Amino acid sequence: SQQGEEDPQALSIQEGENATMNCSYKTSINNLQWYRQNSGRGLVHLILIRSNEREKHSGRLRVTLDTSKKSSSLLITASRAADTASYFCATAYNQGGKLIFGQGTELSVKP
Amino acid sequence: GAGVSQSPSNKVTEKGKDVELRCDPISGHTALYWYRQSLGQGLEFLIYFQGNSAPDKSGLPSDRFSAERTGGSVSTLTIQRTQQEDSAVYLCASSSVIQETQYFGPGTRLLVL
Repeated sequence: SQQGEEDPQALSIQEGENATMNCSYKTSINNLQWYRQNSGRGLVHLILIRSNEREKHSGRLRVTLDTSKKSSSLLITASRAADTASYFCATAYNQGGKLIFGQGTELSVKP
Repeated sequence: GAGVSQSPSNKVTEKGKDVELRCDPISGHTALYWYRQSLGQGLEFLIYFQGNSAPDKSGLPSDRFSAERTGGSVSTLTIQRTQQEDSAVYLCASSSVIQETQYFGPGTRLLVL
């Protein structure tokens, strides 16, 4: 299967702490995207990092990509209760093509 | 502007019936995708339309599943002779290929009794 793997499967932290989620994949990619999902419905796009990029920032989010290890990480700094959600990485193997999703990390941020 | 919309939000049907799920992509987006999310299988790709090219149907689980996209805009996913294992949330996404980011709709929750 080309599907990526994420760890941890679940993460529980206190407000103000940082949360780190990891994603690994199996074959060469065009880009890797991170999504957030609340309550099992629509996914919200967070950030896209291309295969020739190593790090990207967006607000409190920091994403790294290591193509030699076929892995990515998502760091959420100074977490808030509103960050509680499931987080998915998804890999694209060609431009504009389908996404292959990981199993997700369920993040719980306690106030 | 308006995002991706899907209808219905929820659908309950009896085993053996046909269902149609609708997706309205973001205006101007040339690419449209269908995914399925279920407890056992996670998020799975189903089918992808790009402009006038032949769709990528490689993710459709059986020949009971089909989809069309009319006029390069609205798409309908049809499931014939539904089975209980078809119960899932069906998600639609669209993208401007140049951007590659996929924007998802709220999904249709399908329950087959």
